Parts: sequence; C-alpha cells; structure tokens
Amino acid sequence: RKEVEQDPGPFNVPEGATVAFNCTYSNSASQSFFWYRQDCRKEPKLLMSVYSSGNEDGRFTAQLNRASQYISLLIRDSKLSDSATYLCVVWSNNDMRFGAGTRLTVKP
Amino acid sequence: NAGVTQTPKFQVLKTGQSMTLQCAQDMNHNSMYWYRQDPGMGLRLIYYSASEGTTDKGEVPNGYNVSRLNKREFSLRLESAAPSQTSVYFCASRVAGGTPEAFFGQGTRLTVV
Repeated sequence: RKEVEQDPGPFNVPEGATVAFNCTYSNSASQSFFWYRQDCRKEPKLLMSVYSSGNEDGRFTAQLNRASQYISLLIRDSKLSDSATYLCVVWSNNDMRFGAGTRLTVKP
Repeated sequence: NAGVTQTPKFQVLKTGQSMTLQCAQDMNHNSMYWYRQDPGMGLRLIYYSASEGTTDKGEVPNGYNVSRLNKREFSLRLESAAPSQTSVYFCASRVAGGTPEAFFGQGTRLTVV
C-alpha cells in the first residue's frame, strides 16, 4: 500500500464548477499536511497547508481528518487557470511523501 | 533570488554511464531532498539530508549516491545508469523548524538509452 494515495482523475470540469479531491495516508504519526500544485512540466509549488481545524484561502478549502487519516481539497468557482495536477503531501520527521497527484482540467 | 537551482536541465545517457546531478540553494535551508517523478507514480524520495554532514535513504535509493557538499549544495550521482532511471529528478530544500514548506528546483529530465 502506498503511503499517500490519491484519486488520479482526471477531473474535467466546466468553469465555475466546484470540485473536490481526496487523499488518504497510512502513517498515523504524520505531522504536517499540504497540497501542492504542479503545472505541466514544471516543479511542484505549495498551494496551502492543511490544518486539523480546516483552513480556507480564497476559493480553496482544505480539511484534515486525523482519525480517518484523510485530507481533502475543495476548489470553488473553478477557473481555467486552476488546470494543473494537485499533489497531496504528508510530512513527518524530515520525510516528505507525495501522492501521485490528481489531474484537473477546467474547460470553458 | 535564484532559490533552488538544478543542473543540467536535460541529459541523455547511455546505459552504464555515470553522471552527477547538481543542486544548490541560496535560502540558507538546512534540509535538502532528491526526488524522482515518473508518470502515475508521483514524486518518490531518493535521498535526503536533514543538515550539513548527514544523509539518509528515502523510498528508492538503489542505484544512487548523494553528497551534501556544504549547506548550499546537495548532489545526486548515478554510478552506472540504467534505463529504469529514466525520469524527471527534482531537488528540494526547506528550512528546519517552522513550516516545512519545500521549495523545488526546475527539474532535470534524464533519459537513459
């Protein structure tokens, strides 16, 4: 079993749609959680951290459920520029593990 | 402000050749990482260095060696390249303590024929 698992998609949605991505992790001792965004043939970049209380950054909302070892990302009012691959990242003791990514395409 | 710089950006090797991928960061970060990214596999950790003078194996260390030359530089060496090592390689760094956000280089696209 992979340490971090994501639905690979692809998700193809129209502009303005709401889309949600899920991620599960296997190491219950994991300490920090993130969503990274990766554009085609580019390096990953931090989108947002994920906190137990849930957190929001504009149109993006991230949630963490430690009991279920589950992380989610919700994107509201999708824009064409949101098209990318979204990587779930789990960090513990200097070891960062990535999910395989969920590919999102937002269409006009 | 360069951030994390990787060289080369592209490389083609013949099976059995050796090469070193270079990575340097100018953010005074303690920790540095090498990942490989393959289609459908996501990023997999090869080696990491929590601080200058230390290195540790990640998920897929076989066939690779690393050197943390100083605080700025962390190199990845392929002693005898194999086609299975065809991949995109990313170097990353982060500051110790505080938020563990990682900053990535632009990647090295390596093809082994």
